[in-house]
Amino acid sequence: GQNIDQPTEMTATEGAIVQINCTYQTSGFNGLFWYQQHAGEAPTFLSYNVLDGLEEKGRFSSFLSRSKGYSYLLLKELQMKDSASYLCAAYSGTYKYIFGTGTRLKVLA
Amino acid sequence: DSGVTQTPKHLITATGQRVTLRCSPRSGDLSVYWYQQSLDQGLQFLIQYYNGEERAKGNILERFSAQQFPDLHSELNLSSLELGDSALYFCASSVAVTSGGLNIQYFGAGTRLSVL
Repeated sequence: GQNIDQPTEMTATEGAIVQINCTYQTSGFNGLFWYQQHAGEAPTFLSYNVLDGLEEKGRFSSFLSRSKGYSYLLLKELQMKDSASYLCAAYSGTYKYIFGTGTRLKVLA
Repeated sequence: DSGVTQTPKHLITATGQRVTLRCSPRSGDLSVYWYQQSLDQGLQFLIQYYNGEERAKGNILERFSAQQFPDLHSELNLSSLELGDSALYFCASSVAVTSGGLNIQYFGAGTRLSVL
């Protein structure tokens, strides 16, 4: 089967670091993507991983462990504008992407 | 602005009706994806086109159909609408990051469909 699991909601404080976890089970796997989606808006691309390890892009980093079917998105120096949903998506091959339901992050002052 | 244009932004219609949603991809992108996002649901992949040809199909209902035209714009047709079809419909176009089909997707602002 195809399944992506993420926590539904998380809360963190401005300036802090937060880690959003994602586990996946897909019949094929070729890469893991993270998107940010503000309420009522379009998802925007943040990061992707193909191989195991950490990819760093400014305040955002994403990690992948293919053997564990696990990824996380790390957000540093949180800002109020980071309050959004974060979507984990697995590329299963054959041009299909499976998205999780997203993690709603609230950043508090 | 992602460069992907979707029209209309909002659509209100009645059960049993048929609607057409339109998407223009970013300049140079050949792939178009369609997704449905219901309240508290993840993005559900519907269908993908590449340069006019259907490339992949997700859980798209038989009442729904799509096509991509020679100018690369795409249309998603939803017919015999039901209350449960009320959702945000996103279109995305993509740029390949590997030759194996791994793409970064750029999403349009979406069409909010309300079926009353």
